[in-house]
Amino acid sequence: NAGVTQTPKFRVLKTGQSMTLLCAQDMNHEYMYWYRQDPGMGLRLIHYSVGEGTTAKGEVPDGYNVSRLKKQNFLLGLESAAPSQTSVYFCASSSSSGGASDTQYFGPGTRLTVL
Amino acid sequence: GNSVTQMEGPVTLSEEAFLTINCTYTATGYPSLFWYVQYPGEGLQLLLKATKADDKGSNKGFEATYRKETTSFHLEKGSVQVSDSAVYFCALSPRDDKIIFGKGTRLHILP
Repeated sequence: NAGVTQTPKFRVLKTGQSMTLLCAQDMNHEYMYWYRQDPGMGLRLIHYSVGEGTTAKGEVPDGYNVSRLKKQNFLLGLESAAPSQTSVYFCASSSSSGGASDTQYFGPGTRLTVL
Repeated sequence: GNSVTQMEGPVTLSEEAFLTINCTYTATGYPSLFWYVQYPGEGLQLLLKATKADDKGSNKGFEATYRKETTSFHLEKGSVQVSDSAVYFCALSPRDDKIIFGKGTRLHILP
């Protein structure tokens, strides 16, 4: 039982390059989330999904796209990376949203640097 | 709206000291409350939670009590260890909406 895994762990991009971050969970969770973590800002929700084939915008969605083609995978894409997207990205999953059951399980993070 | 406010860090303590990290919240209805911990280089993991007023969550020597009258969920530990050095996040989960995290409090424990 691996929980939530993220690929890659580290990445350096040049401005304008594109990349995809992969998140996978083996807990059969319906809900998946992408956050970014910046110093002094805590966690900010980028996009989330309430089930296979669905996606929704979070607090800071601009410059990112997501897809949830399979229940266990949630992809985060950067089409044209900018230095402002330098951050640590976390994926999380949960069995439900809201209330006592909303315990989120986090991946180890991806550290992205955009030059 | 819903929000979480926690004390800014960093908090620096000596080993075996008493720890309090303050957390207050604003919410409509009756949310569940959580503390998550993030160790260096890792993702967040659930430390403890409480689902209704006066509930006490506890784990690894940490405790927090859901105080509806003061809208607080302060994290406490009687005797901290160097291994407790981490970032601690308070969070609330409304009954019908997404979880909201505080900005985190970095804790340093000196040997």
